[in-house]
Parts: sequence; C-alpha cells; structure tokens
Amino acid sequence: DGGITQSPKYLFRKEGQNVTLSCEQNLNHDAMYWYRQDPGQGLRLIYYSQIVNDFQKGDIAEGYSVSREKKESFPLTVTSAQKNPTAFYLCASSRGGVMIETEAFFGQGTRLTVV
Amino acid sequence: AQTVTQSQPEMSVQEAETVTLSCTYDTSESNYYLFWYKQPPSRQMILVIRQEAYKQQNATENRFSVNFQKAAKSFSLKISDSQLGDTAMYFCAFTSGTYKYIFGTGTRLKVLA
Repeated sequence: DGGITQSPKYLFRKEGQNVTLSCEQNLNHDAMYWYRQDPGQGLRLIYYSQIVNDFQKGDIAEGYSVSREKKESFPLTVTSAQKNPTAFYLCASSRGGVMIETEAFFGQGTRLTVV
Repeated sequence: AQTVTQSQPEMSVQEAETVTLSCTYDTSESNYYLFWYKQPPSRQMILVIRQEAYKQQNATENRFSVNFQKAAKSFSLKISDSQLGDTAMYFCAFTSGTYKYIFGTGTRLKVLA
C-alpha cells in the first residue's frame, strides 16, 4: 500500500542534542512537508520541498534543518538551537506542481519529548 | 499573507444531531482549494472533503457537506447524523498552488452518546 511512514513514533532527546526524524513516502509525490503541531496552534509549517535537492523555509524554520537527496525521503533534524522542541511532528506529501487540487497526505507523526 | 481562522476551539453535539464547524480564510488569489481534515485520537490526519474555489456547487461526501461562500471567504463544514466516531479535531486548510498548505488552529468536536 502507498503511504507515508514516519519513524520513530516516540522520541526522547536530552537537552543539547540533535535528533533526526525520518519521513519516507512511496506515493511518487514531488512535494514534501514538515509541520509542527502544538495544542491550540494548529499545524505550523517548518520546511517544505517541491523537488529533489531543493527545499524552502516555512514559518518556523529556526532550529530545524532538512535535506531532500531522494524523492521519497525528507528527514528533519531538530538541532540544539531549537529552544522548545517538545511537540508532535507531522510529515506530509502531495503531487505538487500545477496539481494544487490534490490534498496533502500525512504520516502518523512523531512525538518528540525533551528530557 | 494567506490565513485560515477557526473561531470555535471546542464544540459538542448529541449523537444523530447535526453540527456545523466554521472556517474563514483570507487570500487575494482567485484559484485555490479548501479542505477539511479530521484528526481522531490516533492523530492520523484524514481528508474529509475538498472544495475548488471556481466551483459554485458545494461539495458533499456522505454525511459531510460544506457551505462555501466565496465572497465572504467562508468555508463551513456540516456533519449530519453525527456518530461517536466523528469525535476528533477538525482542521480547515487552504492551498493556492504555492506548494504550501495553510491550516487553521482546529476545532475539537465531541459527539455525546
């Protein structure tokens, strides 16, 4: 079945450490996204990528980094510069391009907790 | 800037009743799409319904329908014959082809038995 896989489901990080969240899709989508979800704030865009080897900052990119070396993969690194990283992180993908009528498909999320 | 606003943080409805969730948006684009997503306790985001801005006819998917008022920039979701499985967070979302999907802050809906 086609879909988006995020791993791990739960992640614990010590303060000062970098951590990488995995996102893989087999939908052959060009565009991929990372969102952060906090209570009462909805989904806020961290980074997005329209095509391989290209990505843009979203609304809250500070303290995060991404790469897009393969079409199916879009990992997110939460660096020690992110002051409040505890949150639920959602990865999504869409066909992109001129196909704006298609919805974004989501993974099951990763809950990151700083201990 | 494009924005999406959901002014109802929480709502409740009796089983089998009808409930309407509100959403307003702001954009200067003429061609765009609007979506309602459901996020149940499992936290998996599920598409409920979509609406193309150039279509005047309101979208319908089984018990879910929208009231799209383009001039007012309003996009409400009506759930008929509410079921316990409808209990979830509901997010309104917008895209205009800029490769970004913009989400509202969500409405937590609880269906009461």
